[in-house]
Amino acid sequence: AQSVTQLDSQVPVFEEAPVELRCNYSSSVSVYLFWYVQYPNQGLQLLLKYLSGSTLVKGINGFEAEFNKSQTSFHLRKPSVHISDTAEYFCAVSDRGDYKLSFGAGTTVTVRA
Amino acid sequence: NAGVMQNPRHLVRRRGQEARLRCSPMKGHSHVYWYRQLPEEGLKFMVYLQKENIIDESGMPKERFSAEFPKEGPSILRIQQVVRGDSAAYFCASSPPEGRGEKLFFGSGTQLSVL
Repeated sequence: AQSVTQLDSQVPVFEEAPVELRCNYSSSVSVYLFWYVQYPNQGLQLLLKYLSGSTLVKGINGFEAEFNKSQTSFHLRKPSVHISDTAEYFCAVSDRGDYKLSFGAGTTVTVRA
Repeated sequence: NAGVMQNPRHLVRRRGQEARLRCSPMKGHSHVYWYRQLPEEGLKFMVYLQKENIIDESGMPKERFSAEFPKEGPSILRIQQVVRGDSAAYFCASSPPEGRGEKLFFGSGTQLSVL
């Protein structure tokens, strides 16, 4: 089974500053990678996913992530955050073609004015 | 996550009672998955169902937990004789018949609180 490590549990950031959320996973076999966002009192929403092709993946709301196979990482970035980006962010991985996702413990991003 | 409906949003039970969580998949989706999010942890896979079939229940606790997805109606996750450790957010996801992880859509979850 995959394991996913999100290195930061809490990330405070000022509005309009950049943010990077780190994610590492355990397996070196072919994988699919995901970032989900959970806004307060809401369900999970898919931000972006890597299935194949370009290692730089662009998602919704200005987020992007880069797949690095040699470092087994899939870090999420946004160059300029808004107050509305305050949420919990989950990195997830599945073996290619599998239906099970393994999730990290989440990173809480708090954006302050 | 539009279209996967879970209810109730919040459920409060006393120790020893039963909890029933419901999930209606997106239109056209025939596969349902349940995940549990314990406090301070990520989501953990519990069970994968198709209509009238349990495909994979490797993540389900051995006792007190059961799941079904009948021919008609929503999928039900049932927890008997709840204990405080069952307090968690329970998320349902659905996928189309191909049933792969990259095609999952999640619901808004049910927050179960056991007093």
